[in-house]
Amino acid sequence: EVQLVESGGGLVKPGGSLRLSCAASGFNFRSHSMNWVRQTPTKGLEWVSSISSSGTSTYYADSVKGRFTVSRDNAESSLFLQMTSLSAEDTAVYFCARAPVVGYSYAKFDFWGQGILVAVSS
Amino acid sequence: DIQMTQSPPSLSASIGDRVTITCQASQDINYSVNWYQVKPGKAPKVLIYDGSNLEPGVPSRFTGSGFGTDFTFTISDLQSEDVATYYCQQYDNFPPTFGPGTKVDVK
Repeated sequence: EVQLVESGGGLVKPGGSLRLSCAASGFNFRSHSMNWVRQTPTKGLEWVSSISSSGTSTYYADSVKGRFTVSRDNAESSLFLQMTSLSAEDTAVYFCARAPVVGYSYAKFDFWGQGILVAVSS
Repeated sequence: DIQMTQSPPSLSASIGDRVTITCQASQDINYSVNWYQVKPGKAPKVLIYDGSNLEPGVPSRFTGSGFGTDFTFTISDLQSEDVATYYCQQYDNFPPTFGPGTKVDVK
């Protein structure tokens, strides 16, 4: 059974940093591109970042470019999102989401985690 | 970025009703639309991919159609477990973008 479990969320002050993790199991992690997608009550779903199966290619939404860094450890079947210079606009539930083996890394998200809350507030 | 306009923002229907959600893209995106179901505290699920293809394991009461700029998502026989927010997503152009969502409730 495919499982994606996010961790590392919480309350952080504006300007602070946080590192999210996503533990994957039940599939060949190293064969799939992976994504981070976030959800807010006001804006709904927003794609944040993608990383290729090998980790050599990364992509970011303009809203996080230069502040967030996506990475992965295929040996540990883990996905990460390092978030810096956080602001209130980054407050959201963050999901890790798998892309199918075939197609663009961001075209379709076929399995998702349950999400983790990141709250940015003083 | 391609803007996805979704309507209605919310709806309430009875069990067994047919429910239709529309999504309009700001430019031609061929058939490059997926539809997702999101329930609070649960992992989102893809229901429809490539405009009209049913994701394996998804009940056949969920259908999608459309091409170009106008897309439709239908629940043909609304069930209580379908209470959720539904989002369209385009992937024809980078970055992928989502519609604002439609919250579906049962009367």
